[in-house]
Amino acid sequence: DVKVTQSSRYLVKRTGEKVFLECVQDMDHENMFWYRQDPGLGLRLIYFSYDVKMKEKGDIPEGYSVSREKKERFSLILESASTNQTSMYLCASRMTGVKGNTIYFGEGSWLTVV
Amino acid sequence: AQSVTQLDSQVPVFEEAPVELRCNYSSSVSVYLFWYVQYPNQGLQLLLKYLSGSTLVESINGFEAEFNKSQTSFHLRKPSVHISDTAEYFCAVSSLTGGGNKLTFGTGTQLKVEL
Repeated sequence: DVKVTQSSRYLVKRTGEKVFLECVQDMDHENMFWYRQDPGLGLRLIYFSYDVKMKEKGDIPEGYSVSREKKERFSLILESASTNQTSMYLCASRMTGVKGNTIYFGEGSWLTVV
Repeated sequence: AQSVTQLDSQVPVFEEAPVELRCNYSSSVSVYLFWYVQYPNQGLQLLLKYLSGSTLVESINGFEAEFNKSQTSFHLRKPSVHISDTAEYFCAVSSLTGGGNKLTFGTGTQLKVEL
């Protein structure tokens, strides 16, 4: 079965803290994604990665960075957390080379910045 | 650029009644279309997708969606809903060219099934 695991389901961080959200997939997928989900705004793409050490900005990259040192792991980093980054963060992965292929999501990480 | 519009943020419906969740998209090129479902406190799961061929696609739990190119729509329907269908539903589009790796989502429709 396909598995995308987000290590932290619920986090509470203080303003200005550096925050790491970790995501691991066990399907040997090349593509990985970080989305942010907010009520009334749907899912917005923060960053995606085509392959190891390769990354591209999505629609809302400001205030975020990512790291992909190994194929199975894709980390989202908030360099200095702010209250407007309180949100649900969803990691996803997909096999490459087949357009229209299914994207698989993790269960999400609820981040509250106080 | 591509975009997705889900006009209905919430759709209340009684159990065993039919339902339609609307989705319209905008794209300058041909697209793939998807419906994802999100149950409370979970991530998104693929419900169904249109890639090519027959414009009517079905899911294993009774939902269906029809791709209408002239109206740029991909509405989701179910003839008789169940309480367990209560969830948020997201329509998404992916273009066939260039940005094919990028999936653009609508803002979601909350389906609430009542007894």
